[in-house]
Amino acid sequence: NAGVTQTPKFQVLKTGQSMTLQCAQDMNHEYMSWYRQDPGMGLRLIHYSVGAGITDQGEVPNGYNVSRSTTEDFPLRLLSAAPSQTSVYFCASSYSSSSGNTIYFGEGSWLTVV
Amino acid sequence: GQNIDQPTEMTATEGAIVQINCTYQTSGFNGLFWYQQHAGEAPTFLSYNVLDGLEEKGRFSSFLSRSKGYSYLLLKELQMKDSASYLCAVRFKDTGRRALTFGSGTRLQVQP
Repeated sequence: NAGVTQTPKFQVLKTGQSMTLQCAQDMNHEYMSWYRQDPGMGLRLIHYSVGAGITDQGEVPNGYNVSRSTTEDFPLRLLSAAPSQTSVYFCASSYSSSSGNTIYFGEGSWLTVV
Repeated sequence: GQNIDQPTEMTATEGAIVQINCTYQTSGFNGLFWYQQHAGEAPTFLSYNVLDGLEEKGRFSSFLSRSKGYSYLLLKELQMKDSASYLCAVRFKDTGRRALTFGSGTRLQVQP
């Protein structure tokens, strides 16, 4: 059981380049989300999805796009990278039941924009 | 906003007990989580509280008071491996069904 898998783990981009952070989960979770973590600021929600074909914006969506064509995959696209997007990115997934569900995180993707 | 406040840093001694506090805005509250995060790693789930009271899980316990907008994480019999950041996260009803709002984290240093 792989859980939540993120790739790449490390990436350096030049300002203006585009790239996609991949996220896949094998737990048949309906809910998936992307967070970024900056020093001293905790994790902030970028985008989330409550099921295939459904996405919505979180707290800091500007500069990022997402899609959810399958239950398993939730890629995060940076359209034109900026130095302010240098951060650690975490993908997460959980069931959508109302009980105290656990949110599972991927191992993180360290992105540097120069 | 939905501010979640917790101390930035704490230091404790191996074998001792430490309490990490978290306060949050009560409006729209729909559950509180505690995560542990070691440097360079992903957060890992520790506890979940949605009703008032204490949840105990081995050396770790978490308490919630919904009326006060207050929670704490209690770590007993501290070990060196408990040195990590501890993240308080709240699920609010208006930010997506399963999204969490995180505090900035408390960095705990356990000393010999």
